[in-house]
Amino acid sequence: DAKTTQPNSMESNEEEPVHLPCNHSTISGTDYIHWYRQLPSQGPEYVIHGLTSNVNNRMASLAIAEDRKSSTLILHRATLRDAAVYYCILSPRTSYGKLTFGQGTILTVHP
Amino acid sequence: DTAVSQTPKYLVTQMGNDKSIKCEQNLGHDTMYWYKQDSKKFLKIMFSYNNKELIINETVPNRFSPKSPDKAHLNLHINSLELGDSAVYFCASSGGVTDTQYFGPGTRLTVL
Repeated sequence: DAKTTQPNSMESNEEEPVHLPCNHSTISGTDYIHWYRQLPSQGPEYVIHGLTSNVNNRMASLAIAEDRKSSTLILHRATLRDAAVYYCILSPRTSYGKLTFGQGTILTVHP
Repeated sequence: DTAVSQTPKYLVTQMGNDKSIKCEQNLGHDTMYWYKQDSKKFLKIMFSYNNKELIINETVPNRFSPKSPDKAHLNLHINSLELGDSAVYFCASSGGVTDTQYFGPGTRLTVL
């Protein structure tokens, strides 16, 4: 499985934008980039995913580098509820849904 | 209504016992999964079923046996429980094997 590298932790203030980086230099052409997050004592929750183009949804935006070797999850206005572990995951279409979670980035949001 | 539910939420048992964790999804999904999150918080996939057929079977001791009686249910039976089985077990489902996965709230298993 292609590997992703994320910072162990990041901090933000409420109402400010947050940019969570992910490096995936060994990404292959069929790998989708998925972001999930896990709030304390809960199961993981889907955030967003993309292949080549930038993506937006009601939760976040995903900016994918032109060479696809890195991506950034953007939370436009962080809230206290966004404090969680954020996982960047590569998953090829042929993986039968296998998500390989790394250690993720622990996001702390300060009021 | 909870989309993916698991029972029990907590399970405390002695070494050597046999236990089951149940998972149900009401999303009409075809694919269901079991993941294990250990004490270091790493999440690893264990099994995946698509239309009641096993499609992912990671390197898991054969003491763990998933059973899918129908598309909406995927149960996990564990024989001869060991201390190292203590973890949080998450069930998930997706519409298809490439679709977004929806996770249950987890079952915290403690083996004494």
